This record gives sequence, C-alpha cells and structure tokens, in this order.
Amino acid sequence: KAGVTQTPRYLIKTRGQQVTLSCSPISGHRSVSWYQQTPGQGLQFLFEYFSETQRNKGNFPGRFSGRQFSNSRSEMNVSTLELGDSALYLCASSFDSANTGELFFGEGSRLTVL
Amino acid sequence: DQQVKQNSPSLSVQEGRISILNCDYTNSMFDYFLWYKKYPAEGPTFLISISSIKDKNEDGRFTVFLNKSAKHLSLHIVPSQPGDSAVYFCAASDTTTSGTYKYIFGTGTRLKVLA
Repeated sequence: KAGVTQTPRYLIKTRGQQVTLSCSPISGHRSVSWYQQTPGQGLQFLFEYFSETQRNKGNFPGRFSGRQFSNSRSEMNVSTLELGDSALYLCASSFDSANTGELFFGEGSRLTVL
Repeated sequence: DQQVKQNSPSLSVQEGRISILNCDYTNSMFDYFLWYKKYPAEGPTFLISISSIKDKNEDGRFTVFLNKSAKHLSLHIVPSQPGDSAVYFCAASDTTTSGTYKYIFGTGTRLKVLA
C-alpha cells in the first residue's frame, strides 16, 4: 500500500512569509504526527492529530499550527517565518496513538528560509 | 531539556564487527522504546522496539538492551554491514496528561560501516 506522502518536498521562503505543508497518511491510519528535524536537535515533536483533533502538542511557538481533515490528511502551517525555521519537516502516521504503535514516516519537506 | 540523549553523534565500525549505539533517558516513566534508522533523503523507518518490562529484544542482526536502573538502552548490530550506514534515532514513549502518547526522539547517531 502507498506510504506516507508529503508535499512539497523542497521549498524556499523568505523571512516573514508563511508556509503550508501537506501530509497524506497511509490509508486507514488515523493518527498523524509532525516533527521538525534540525542538525544537532534530532526530531522535535510538533503536534499530533487523531480523528481531526489535536491530541498532543510539543513546545513550539504559536506560529506553528496544524489541522487534520476528515480523510486523515493533515496540513501544518508556519507563519511569520524565521531563519531558524529552516529544517526538514517530517510527517508520520500510525493506526492509533497507542505507545506501541509504530510510526510510518514520509520523506519530509525540506524548508529553507532566506 | 533533552529527555532522550544520544551522546555519540557519529560512530565508525568495520564491516563484520559489532556496532553498539547508545541512548540515555531521564524520565523513569517512559515505558516503551523504539529505534529508527534514517537514510539520506528518506524518512526514518522503524527498526526494533522494547517494552520496559523486558531487558532484551532481538530481531535478526539487531538486539536492543534496556537497563532501567541506569535509564540506558543500546542497540547492537552484529555483524555490521555497509548497508547499515545510516543515522539511528532512539525514541521513548511519553504518556501525556490526556492519557495519549507521544514519542520523544534523541538527536541521532550517524553510523558508518567501513567495507
């Protein structure tokens, strides 16, 4: 079956702009999580959505937001971009949010902020 | 504050030898741990996991050991192969106040297996 699909794969923005990233989970998966990967920081948890509801949130400013649609597809938005937002943004889906649930990651969206 | 730490950013090992990747955590309430492998330009893929009620889990060439008293886990790869060259992340399951779970990842260790 198709894996997790993230679009766009690469994008370049300038400071102050906003960006929307999209994630289509594996069919049947209801949980979608977002992570930010930067050198030296590993994967930082942004938020998790389950059945259109945000269930968990990481320690990121309010400029980072997300949503999930009824078909489980998810989007994340970053407003007023800063240079430090340059990173690989990874989306992961799972069937549920049980702690033994394996996460399936997409290839990521690499954002460069100039 | 990094709750899951991988103190070695990189590791080089000869093909056929053992690779040992280490991970330390600070929260004694973590009850499930996972290892993920990431190749360049790809998303991380699940490798192996272990519940806190166990101290060892084995899957082929991969074995994860958990020392709860030391809050330490390690991933052993025997024998190491060039295709194992990747970045390895350990992750711990954190129960939230709402009773759901989120995964806390370490910073990763880049393993290079030399042919």
